[in-house]
Amino acid sequence: DTGVSQDPRHKITKRGQNVTFRCDPISEHNRLYWYRQTLGQGPEFLTYFQNEAQLEKSRLLSDRFSAERPKGSFSTLEIQRTEQGDSAMYLCASSSVLAGPHNEQFFGPGTRLTVL
Amino acid sequence: GESVGLHLPTLSVQEGDNSIINCAYSNSASDYFIWYKQESGKGPQFIIDIRSNMDKRQGQRVTVLLNKTVKHLSLQIAATQPGDSAVYFCAERGGGGKLIFGQGTELSVKP
Repeated sequence: DTGVSQDPRHKITKRGQNVTFRCDPISEHNRLYWYRQTLGQGPEFLTYFQNEAQLEKSRLLSDRFSAERPKGSFSTLEIQRTEQGDSAMYLCASSSVLAGPHNEQFFGPGTRLTVL
Repeated sequence: GESVGLHLPTLSVQEGDNSIINCAYSNSASDYFIWYKQESGKGPQFIIDIRSNMDKRQGQRVTVLLNKTVKHLSLQIAATQPGDSAVYFCAERGGGGKLIFGQGTELSVKP
């Protein structure tokens, strides 16, 4: 257990439905990252926050995706009008810029999304 | 575009043998690399890292080698154990600290 939690662990939904995932980072970590991982591939960066500010979004993050970190603690990732291609593992990671130059990222267990 | 990738998708070794997992990267400006281990149903777990001003770094039973001339990374695991069975990823750190992962190598340890 890295100290990063994600909820739910699994989500099955029908195409066209909206889904929301939550990530609770390690409490003193000010950076929070979202990644998406499909079967057999490495995680792909989606977006990251420093405190409550969303500083970068990948081109992978279409208009249907939105992420928030309202109080600089937990974060949510919402996917609207889900498509079958959204089926993947969504991983959250956190790090502290105060921890030194390496800023090790600690990953949560992920939320596995299946869109039927 | 820039990418980090792996040479071999699968590796099978006998328990007690040494394992070597390879990785090629294309961005010569990369200054920091990390190896992660991912077990089934879990998120990636940090193993070891190396900065571009180093050629070698050792941890407990693991060693990372960096060859900047050919843009190649390797992870060596000594005395491989069944608990080492997992998928291993190399990653490059990009702007903002985001990680750019390769495809992964699945390590299978035979008892």
